[in-house]
Amino acid sequence: AQKVTQAQTEISVVEKEDVTLDCVYETRDTTYYLFWYKQPPSGELVFLIRRNSFDEQNEISGRYSWNFQKSTSSFNFTITASQVVDSAVYFCALSDFNAGNMLTFGGGTRLMVKP
Amino acid sequence: DTEVTQTPKHLVMGMTNKKSLKCEQHMGHRAMYWYKQKAKKPPELMFVYSYEKLSINESVPSRFSPECPNSSLLNLHLHALQPEDSALYLCASSLTGLNTEAFFGQGTRLTVV
Repeated sequence: AQKVTQAQTEISVVEKEDVTLDCVYETRDTTYYLFWYKQPPSGELVFLIRRNSFDEQNEISGRYSWNFQKSTSSFNFTITASQVVDSAVYFCALSDFNAGNMLTFGGGTRLMVKP
Repeated sequence: DTEVTQTPKHLVMGMTNKKSLKCEQHMGHRAMYWYKQKAKKPPELMFVYSYEKLSINESVPSRFSPECPNSSLLNLHLHALQPEDSALYLCASSLTGLNTEAFFGQGTRLTVV
């Protein structure tokens, strides 16, 4: 069965520190998609990235970067030089055929960036 | 425009009331979703509409009744809810239901008294 684990429930850092949010997934499918979403206090989930299982290239978008490693079934997310506005709950999610292509969310990591 | 609009933002209702949550998107997406999110938990899928037809109902109690009047609108009709139904209700849409990224609204924070 598909499963997403975010072992860190809460992380607290001081502004300008780098922080990595871990995501480990389980799936029997060879074709699947991984996502990261950000949920600020306002409530909506903001889409950050989608990555398919055949593309293991790391991606960088501004201060955000993602490290996808199929060998360890991980899709980690790093924020460089964190800012107070990065404070939010971050969800990693998996979509595969066995789940009817619906999103399976991890439990989320609450990131608190202090000034 | 990558916006999914939900109304109302907050709703307090009694257990005998009937109310509706509304969701709208104008991105041409053909899949729309309702999720329920309790505090400090991830969103849980409730319903999926694909091309205006209900394709997934995740064993949701009948006191929740979804409706998709057209490709841009999604409603969730509420009747005889229980206090444990209090939660954040999130609407989302995606281009299709197949591994495409979903865009979420800000949610309706529902309190049942």
